[in-house]
Amino acid sequence: DAGITQSPRHKVTETGTPVTLRCHQTENHRYMYWYRQDPGHGLRLIHYSYGVKDTDKGEVSDGYSVSRSKTEDFLLTLESATSSQTSVYFCAISDPGQVNQPQHFGDGTRLSIL
Amino acid sequence: RKEVEQDPGPFNVPEGATVAFNCTYSNSASQSFFWYRQDCRKEPKLLMSVYSSGNEDGRFTAQLNRASQYISLLIRDSKLSDSATYLCVVNANNDMRFGAGTRLTVKP
Repeated sequence: DAGITQSPRHKVTETGTPVTLRCHQTENHRYMYWYRQDPGHGLRLIHYSYGVKDTDKGEVSDGYSVSRSKTEDFLLTLESATSSQTSVYFCAISDPGQVNQPQHFGDGTRLSIL
Repeated sequence: RKEVEQDPGPFNVPEGATVAFNCTYSNSASQSFFWYRQDCRKEPKLLMSVYSSGNEDGRFTAQLNRASQYISLLIRDSKLSDSATYLCVVNANNDMRFGAGTRLTVKP
């Protein structure tokens, strides 16, 4: 299995509080991604990073920010959490240096905003 | 219209059955294609890539029809352990798009 660790695995917090999720990889892959998964939807991309300090928005980036200060760590921050951000969050990595490389996922973080 | 569409199922089949899942995608510039498997409350895991000529991995066969923008997954001799949700994934310029998944339950 790809060396990807997400923390925390579960979190319950209140509306309006800031929340930071961490993704740590040991594969030295250049690309890292944050997705959310909700019933009836496929995984939807929030933000991704293509290198240290290089990030870009995904399909559902509103209300989220990210940072990548080291190759191995990619942080996702909800500045002021809302109930609509209750979801399961997955981090993924890929090494697109080769053709057709798929993404590999961490175990996920279950986030509940009350 | 969703970029990647799958029949959500559920598909309930007996052990030993053959089952097929279909997936359509809207972006004609898509370059690579995958099937992932996701167990309940777990992360998606790569099942297999899908190649233009079709490919097989044991009991699993994947097919791609670029003209019709259609991908399929065939599972032969279903096992109880095949019960999961199967995600169709389409990649265009490193922009991965996921189907919502097809749920499969294999029963004794």
